[in-house]
Amino acid sequence: GAGVSQTPSNKVTEKGKYVELRCDPISGHTALYWYRQSLGQGPEFLIYFQGTGAADDSGLPNDRFFAVRPEGSVSTLKIQRTERGDSAVYLCASSLVPLDYNEQFFGPGTRLTVL
Amino acid sequence: AQSVTQPDIHITVSEGASLELRCNYSYGATPYLFWYVQSPGQGLQLLLKYFSGDTLVQGIKGFEAEFKRSQSSFNLRKPSVHWSDAAEYFCAVGTPGTSYGKLTFGQGTILTVHP
Repeated sequence: GAGVSQTPSNKVTEKGKYVELRCDPISGHTALYWYRQSLGQGPEFLIYFQGTGAADDSGLPNDRFFAVRPEGSVSTLKIQRTERGDSAVYLCASSLVPLDYNEQFFGPGTRLTVL
Repeated sequence: AQSVTQPDIHITVSEGASLELRCNYSYGATPYLFWYVQSPGQGLQLLLKYFSGDTLVQGIKGFEAEFKRSQSSFNLRKPSVHWSDAAEYFCAVGTPGTSYGKLTFGQGTILTVHP
């Protein structure tokens, strides 16, 4: 079956613009995570969804970042007034149930470049 | 707060040679421990995990890792490296007792394999 997909694979934008990054988890997976991976660093946790609700958004760096998952499947990460420091690879992961480290699947990521 | 350190940013080995990638963690108790591999354009893939019990764990692709509580380490090993093992490797920790699978990653080790 299909894995976690993320679109677009690459996004180039200008400083100050708004961007949306999409994550399609594996069908039926209730838990969804967003991570950010800056150049030369490991992924850093941003937000966790259980179903439609954001159960833990403690990793969002500031109020320019927002994520939704309105129907409990697809999630969108939204970044307002982008800054050059937002340039990174944004990763999405999903699992069938929340506490399932064994089967937490990652997407290939969206590479965001802010000029 | 928990943290993960991977002391080696870049390691180069010859094909057929043995490999050890280092990982040290900081946490008040024994965390859940993981090794992931990331190939270019691919999502993170779980190699192996440690939750409890036998401190030597076997994973996919011939990898193993040993948990050493006294050294707060979880080093990844492979007896004979193949060219296809060239990738970036991440050590990660999860927190026992939480209700979801949030991960904290190290900064990664890039593995280059010479023919």
